[in-house]
Amino acid sequence: AQKVTQAQTEISVVEKEDVTLDCVYETRDTTYYLFWYKQPPSGELVFLIRRNSFDEQNEISGRYSWNFQKSTSSFNFTITASQVVDSAVYFCALSGSGFKTIFGAGTRLFVKA
Amino acid sequence: GAVVSQHPSWVICKSGTSVKIECRSLDFQATTMFWYRQFPKQSLMLMATSNEGSKATYEQGVEKDKFLINHASLTLSTLTVTSAHPEDSSFYICSARVASAYEQYFGPGTRLTVT
Repeated sequence: AQKVTQAQTEISVVEKEDVTLDCVYETRDTTYYLFWYKQPPSGELVFLIRRNSFDEQNEISGRYSWNFQKSTSSFNFTITASQVVDSAVYFCALSGSGFKTIFGAGTRLFVKA
Repeated sequence: GAVVSQHPSWVICKSGTSVKIECRSLDFQATTMFWYRQFPKQSLMLMATSNEGSKATYEQGVEKDKFLINHASLTLSTLTVTSAHPEDSSFYICSARVASAYEQYFGPGTRLTVT
């Protein structure tokens, strides 16, 4: 069975602080993909990143960075110098054999000015 | 990039009526489409998987007679909520996948309110 755990339900930070959103996954598949999505109040999912199970390189995109560690089955997401516009719900997701995408519970991020 | 649309974006209906939601892949052929439901402040829960030309596969606990899914073409899947009740009020999101790819493209969602 596949599972994605986002233990942080809500995080509140002050603008310009760095914040890390945790994601731990479980799967028996050797080939799988991990994703992060942002869901603003409008509800539409915004794709942030995709990572396959064979690529453990960390990635940086502007203020966003991702740390993928297969040894701990984690795929954490860090926002550097957070901004109010980063306030949203962030979902970590896993897609393996069968191609279904399973979502974590989500982390609601509040960035205060 | 791949675009998935949903129609309508929001709908209000009376209890006991049926509502149809369309999901279209605009610039690619989707061999598989997925339907998710999201209640307020909760995660996306997969309802069913539909492959073009075959019957949908429903997740455990999802009533197939209540949530009718049709995937008649490679660009269109429909979800019909039959005899809707207030507890069916939710945000419904579809996604589409091309053959042999893990990437899914999500639609913008449809907000259903049953009064």
